[in-house]
Amino acid sequence: QVQLQQWGAGLLKPSETLSLTCAVHGGSFSNYCWTWFRQPPGKGLEWIGEINHSGKINDNPSLKSRVTISIDTSNNQFSLKLGSVTAADTAVYYCARGVCGWGTHYFDYWGQGILVTVSS
Amino acid sequence: AIQMTQSPSSLSASVGDRVTITCRASQGIRDDLGWYQQKPGRAPKLLVYAASTLHSGVPSRFSGSGSGTYFTLTISSLQPEDFATYYCLQDYTYPLTFGGGTKVEIK
Repeated sequence: QVQLQQWGAGLLKPSETLSLTCAVHGGSFSNYCWTWFRQPPGKGLEWIGEINHSGKINDNPSLKSRVTISIDTSNNQFSLKLGSVTAADTAVYYCARGVCGWGTHYFDYWGQGILVTVSS
Repeated sequence: AIQMTQSPSSLSASVGDRVTITCRASQGIRDDLGWYQQKPGRAPKLLVYAASTLHSGVPSRFSGSGSGTYFTLTISSLQPEDFATYYCLQDYTYPLTFGGGTKVEIK
């Protein structure tokens, strides 16, 4: 059974860097796109970006190049950094496993979510 | 970015009702669309991908259809555990974008 376990700081001050990690337990780490999403309190979902096992990254231009996604294949983990956070970055952040192939892109396993609050 | 417009934003229904949620894309996305169910405080759960392919383990009362710019998710007979918020997600092109969500509440 595949499980994604995520962790990171839950309270940040404006201008700090958000840092989250997601560990993948069970299943293969290759041949998937490892993805981050977020959801502001009471609002809808937003795709942040993804990385595949080869290190190729796609991210959301709306985040204005503040996003860094990295992968550690030796430990089956991937990470998200979001720089220069503001209150608008307050959200529950989810990691997920993406099945990403030709004409296919869906997310079948998700982490538990972490609420990250940005407040002075 | 492709805009995904879901409707309705909320609906009230009774157990046993047939429910249909729609999602429209601002441009054609072939069948590159998925549907996700989310309950309060929980991560989203995949229901359908490629517009009409039911994910493993998802009850057959859920079905998806559509292509191009118009898509639907239908629940043929609403069950108590189906009261949740549903989101569509286009994966035709980056950035991936979600619809605004449809909250299905108990009448």
